[in-house]
Amino acid sequence: ETGVTQSPTHLIKTRGQQVTLRCSSQSGHNTVSWYQQALGQGPQFIFQYYREEENGRGNFPPRFSGLQFPNYSSELNVNALELDDSALYLCASSPPGADSYNEQFFGPGTRLTVL
Amino acid sequence: AQSVTQLGSHVSVSEGALVLLRCNYSSSVPPYLFWYVQYPNQGLQLLLKYTSAATLVKGINGFEAEFKKSETSFHLTKPSAHMSDAAEYFCAVSLRASGNQFYFGTGTSLTVIP
Repeated sequence: ETGVTQSPTHLIKTRGQQVTLRCSSQSGHNTVSWYQQALGQGPQFIFQYYREEENGRGNFPPRFSGLQFPNYSSELNVNALELDDSALYLCASSPPGADSYNEQFFGPGTRLTVL
Repeated sequence: AQSVTQLGSHVSVSEGALVLLRCNYSSSVPPYLFWYVQYPNQGLQLLLKYTSAATLVKGINGFEAEFKKSETSFHLTKPSAHMSDAAEYFCAVSLRASGNQFYFGTGTSLTVIP
């Protein structure tokens, strides 16, 4: 069974640029959540996708957007990058049902550095 | 509103000593609670979860946690620390009827001294 994978592993961008991060969910999982983990902090919920629709959003501005595809893989897009966007971006998938007690399975993350 | 507080951003224990990592939650509705571990440059791995069954939950690698509603706590313990336990530990809460959205604490870094 393949776990959650993310690409790229590392990325360096400059302020004002746009970035796309990718996530492949674990086989059979139809819910994908994205988190931002700043250095020394816990993960912060960005948004969640369930069956290709946004299913909840945290306190992040609209320049953070996402997509989920029919195969349940997902993208996180960030426009107009700011220095504070530098962080580890984690993707997590959950099995069908998307119930609150469902474990989230995390990928290894993408380390984004904004210069 | 819901939140998770982890007391002690850094905890050091001797190898073989008791590990106690503290987590308190604030929630207006009964929560589901989770402990995750993160090793350097890796994602998060689930240690254990509370989903309203038994209040004492056993997880992987000898860890366990007890849900205490009266204290709004979900502290993580392990009787005997091992060097391989050195990592970052996160407590998280998920609310019923709100979808599968997790809210994490700020983490506790565990150091194990040989």
